[in-house]
Amino acid sequence: DAGVIQSPRHEVTEMGQEVTLRCKPISGHDYLFWYRQTMMRGLELLIYFNNNVPIDDSGMPEDRFSAKMPNASFSTLKIQPSEPRDSAVYFCASSLAKGLAGNNEQFFGPGTRLTVL
Amino acid sequence: EDKVVQSPLSLVVHEGDTVTLNCSYEVTNFRSLLWYKQEKKAPTFLFMLTSSGIEKKSGRLSSILDKKELFSILNITATQTGDSAIYLCAVEGVNFGNEKLTFGTGTRLTIIP
Repeated sequence: DAGVIQSPRHEVTEMGQEVTLRCKPISGHDYLFWYRQTMMRGLELLIYFNNNVPIDDSGMPEDRFSAKMPNASFSTLKIQPSEPRDSAVYFCASSLAKGLAGNNEQFFGPGTRLTVL
Repeated sequence: EDKVVQSPLSLVVHEGDTVTLNCSYEVTNFRSLLWYKQEKKAPTFLFMLTSSGIEKKSGRLSSILDKKELFSILNITATQTGDSAIYLCAVEGVNFGNEKLTFGTGTRLTIIP
């Protein structure tokens, strides 16, 4: 397996534009996570899905952020409209299971570095 | 609100030294504590700890959890330049039936040859 795949790897956009980040989890993994990492706030969990269903989106900063998982092999994180403070590295991760019932190891994608000017 | 605090924020040591990284937490309904190593790109999993007092070990790295005092330490002995990275601590808790993972801001470890 190629691991978690994210695209694009880098994106530079202007304030107000729509940004869509894409993620392909590891095949067979039931959980998918979106994270944001900045120097100031570290790594923050934005939202996670179980079997394509959003379970907890309390980490999503505001209504400008939305995430979807239309099928088991694809998820998107959209920011509309984007703002300079959204500049960060966005990671997608997937895991087989969550909690004590299974292996809690999350496999991270390489991240998308987003810069909003 | 769940909170994870790591210390020190940054550490610079010479190759061969032993380092101890700290992670303290406050979390609703603790499930597990995880350590990750992040080099240039994505974090990679090191350990998952669920029980107090049981040391997890992988080569020169080891970690232990104290659920009474709400902290964990990550030890690295005989450090090498390849250990230079950001070490992240994350805690999983359960709130209103939903599991949540909260990360600390990390400790940046630099090993000088």
